[in-house]
Amino acid sequence: EIVLTQSPGTLSLSPGERATLSCRASQGVNSNYLAWYQQKPGQAPRLLIYGASIRAADIPDRFSGSGSRTDFTLTISRLEPEDFAVFYCQQYGSSPWTFGQGTKVEIQ
Amino acid sequence: QVQLQESGPGLVQPSQTLSLTCTVSGGSISSGDYYWSWIRQHPGKGLEWIGWIYYSGSTYYNPSLKSRVTTSVDTSKSHFSLKLNSVTAADTAVYYCARSWAYSGRYYFDYWGQGTLVTVSS
Repeated sequence: EIVLTQSPGTLSLSPGERATLSCRASQGVNSNYLAWYQQKPGQAPRLLIYGASIRAADIPDRFSGSGSRTDFTLTISRLEPEDFAVFYCQQYGSSPWTFGQGTKVEIQ
Repeated sequence: QVQLQESGPGLVQPSQTLSLTCTVSGGSISSGDYYWSWIRQHPGKGLEWIGWIYYSGSTYYNPSLKSRVTTSVDTSKSHFSLKLNSVTAADTAVYYCARSWAYSGRYYFDYWGQGTLVTVSS
């Protein structure tokens, strides 16, 4: 199975700053079938990005995804107070579908 | 707006079977466009995909859990179910149901239930 490793584990930033989250795959992700989710405490994950770079419905354009094969990035251009959460990447190009261990973006 | 809702016991005894149901509303579980999945999250940890079921009853399970997992679908009741047998404390987790498209390249999860905590303890 494809193992996804996210870094850093925790990112401490202030509102208005730029956040850059990494997701590295143990082998190439077919056709860049990679998604990003945001999870707030006590809530289910919310889909942000699919196909590595396509924003899901109603997701603000400050969220962007990039990358290919084994290296993917989620960028939040200017952090809003509601953006602080845990972010997960998921690959769905090979079975079993797998998730990264998460990056927590916390208020500095 | 599609909604998914998990239900089932919050406490299961070790070695017994965990049983959960996910009820789908606002959309048809009989649509051939979607897979219906179970995903779990151990306390304070990441996400683990358990498997999917199609409206026809076809299934695919994560090999790590395959020997203990059974899923079923009841289109007349618009719900699908999970059974995980021989549970241990390591199966304590929040269990989510979620929907993905059933087309290559679209297996991301666009709708999720709120999750239900299942604790395995005597």
